[in-house]
Amino acid sequence: NAGVMQNPRHLVRRRGQEARLRCSPMKGHSHVYWYRQLPEEGLKFMVYLQKENIIDESGMPKERFSAEFPKEGPSILRIQQVVRGDSAAYFCASSPSSGGREKLFFGSGTQLSVL
Amino acid sequence: GIQVEQSPPDLILQEGANSTLRCNFSDSVNNLQWFHQNPWGQLINLFYIPSGTKQNGRLSATTVATERYSLLYISSSQTTDSGVYFCAVDGGSSNTGKLIFGQGTTLQVKP
Repeated sequence: NAGVMQNPRHLVRRRGQEARLRCSPMKGHSHVYWYRQLPEEGLKFMVYLQKENIIDESGMPKERFSAEFPKEGPSILRIQQVVRGDSAAYFCASSPSSGGREKLFFGSGTQLSVL
Repeated sequence: GIQVEQSPPDLILQEGANSTLRCNFSDSVNNLQWFHQNPWGQLINLFYIPSGTKQNGRLSATTVATERYSLLYISSSQTTDSGVYFCAVDGGSSNTGKLIFGQGTTLQVKP
């Protein structure tokens, strides 16, 4: 059973470009979470999605960031017009249900570097 | 919101030594998990332990929910145990995987 798959592993963008980060949850998992790990900071929750629905986006910056989890295909975290402050490790996690009473399984992360 | 504090922030051990990592949280929780982030950045889920005690090989964890703390025990440490250990909790009223992470304990195990 493959784990949570994230790609790319490393992503380099210039300021102003768009970044697209992909996450395929574990088989049988329909709940996806995105977290961000900034340098010198801990992991911070960004958004919680189920298939075709955003459940909680309270941790998402108000501008330039969006997330989706379509009926078919991976979850996508999209960052428009990236700035240097967006450089961070972005982790995706999945669970079979809402996750409130069970383990979260994390992917290996995408390291975003903005030049 | 709920506060999560981990101690110590840094720990250096000789291979074979035992250690205890602590996580204090400021409010009641429904979900508490321990993670290990290895030197390659990968996050490994060690325990889901909102209360009670669990053991997995050389690792064990205990959460005393009424006193709002959790402990992670590492016995006979190995160099592969190096990395950052995170405690994460839900917000108490949340019933999702929206977790609040502590700042972590950085462990270095020397051969």
